[in-house]
Amino acid sequence: KQEVTQIPAALSVPEGENLVLNCSFTDSAIYNLQWFRQDPGKGLTSLLLIQSSQREQTSGRLNASLDKSSGRSTLYIAASQPGDSATYLCAVGNTDKLIFGTGTRLQVFP
Amino acid sequence: DVKVTQSSRYLVKRTGEKVFLECVQDMDHENMFWYRQDPGLGLRLIYFSYDVKMKEKGDIPEGYSVSREKKERFSLILESASTNQTSMYLCASSLLRDTEAFFGQGTRLTVV
Repeated sequence: KQEVTQIPAALSVPEGENLVLNCSFTDSAIYNLQWFRQDPGKGLTSLLLIQSSQREQTSGRLNASLDKSSGRSTLYIAASQPGDSATYLCAVGNTDKLIFGTGTRLQVFP
Repeated sequence: DVKVTQSSRYLVKRTGEKVFLECVQDMDHENMFWYRQDPGLGLRLIYFSYDVKMKEKGDIPEGYSVSREKKERFSLILESASTNQTSMYLCASSLLRDTEAFFGQGTRLTVV
């Protein structure tokens, strides 16, 4: 059974820092991996999708990498801003569905 | 941009009521999903659908049913609402099985 883990569960950093969020999964037979952002009380916003054949994807200040063989993905956020404060979720596409980690709650303070 | 719209942001229902949660997507996506999100448990899949009139059970289908009469609309039905169904419900859609998933804004359901 696929299990997805995100470390750390919470992170508080000063504005301007570069940071890395981690996601690990137990079964490497995945279609893709997707990173989402969730603001309190809201739905999920898709940030990046990495197909299983890809190693990384970039969008603005965000860079996500995927190492299927080791069951790991990282989300790198450059020059963090207070507006980046949110919960970040990773999800692996596995057979018929997305399986989610429990998220990393990020706070960026001025 | 893909838009997934859920009919209500907040709902309060009484125990035993039949509850309908509606979700509409505007990008002709094949796949639609219903999740619930609870603190400490994360997102869990209730039901999904790959085509009109098709449905598949997810991880926690008990107490729920779904309807997909049209491609763009996927409804979640709580046959007889109970307090343990108080949760955030999230609808999602994707074009294909391995393409990007897009979520609605969520419906916070409280059953009293």
